[in-house]
Amino acid sequence: EVQLVESGGGLVQPGGSLRLSCAASGFTFSTYWMSWVRQAPGKGLEWVANIRHDGSDKYYVDSVKGRFTISRDNAKNSLFLQMNNLRAEDTAVYYCARERACYAWGQGTLVTVSS
Amino acid sequence: DIQMTQSPSFLSASVGDRVTITCRASQGIRNDLGWYQQKPGKAPKRLIYTASSLESGVPSRFSGSGSGTEFTLTISSLQPEDFATYYCLQYNSYPHTFGQGTKLEIK
Repeated sequence: EVQLVESGGGLVQPGGSLRLSCAASGFTFSTYWMSWVRQAPGKGLEWVANIRHDGSDKYYVDSVKGRFTISRDNAKNSLFLQMNNLRAEDTAVYYCARERACYAWGQGTLVTVSS
Repeated sequence: DIQMTQSPSFLSASVGDRVTITCRASQGIRNDLGWYQQKPGKAPKRLIYTASSLESGVPSRFSGSGSGTEFTLTISSLQPEDFATYYCLQYNSYPHTFGQGTKLEIK
């Protein structure tokens, strides 16, 4: 069974940093693209970033370019999202998902950016 | 960026009704589209991929169609567990983009 478990969310001040993690199991992690998607409170889904199976290609939504970095450790079946210079508008539940087409999703981790 | 215009934003329907949700892409995306169901407080669940392929384990009352710029999700006979919010996602071009969602409510 495919399982994705996010962690690392929390309360951070504007301008601060957080690193989200996603632990994957139940499939061969190193052969799949992985994605991050977020959902602000009461709002719709927003695609954030994704990364090729070997880490050689990474793509981002414009609003996070230069601030967020997606990465992965295939030896540890883990996906990461380093978030720097956080803004209030980054407040959201962050989900990791398998594949570019988001086949399976984790339960999400809440990031709150507030002073 | 490709804009995904989803309609309607809200839909009120009864158990047993047939409902259709539409997503229009601002430019052609071939069939690189998925449909997702989200219930309150839960992660989304993929129902359909490549516009018309039904995810394993998803009831056959769900179906998807379309190609290019116009896509539909149809639920042939609504069941109580289908009341949720539905989203489309295009993964043809970067940045990938979701429709704004359709909240399906019980009439």
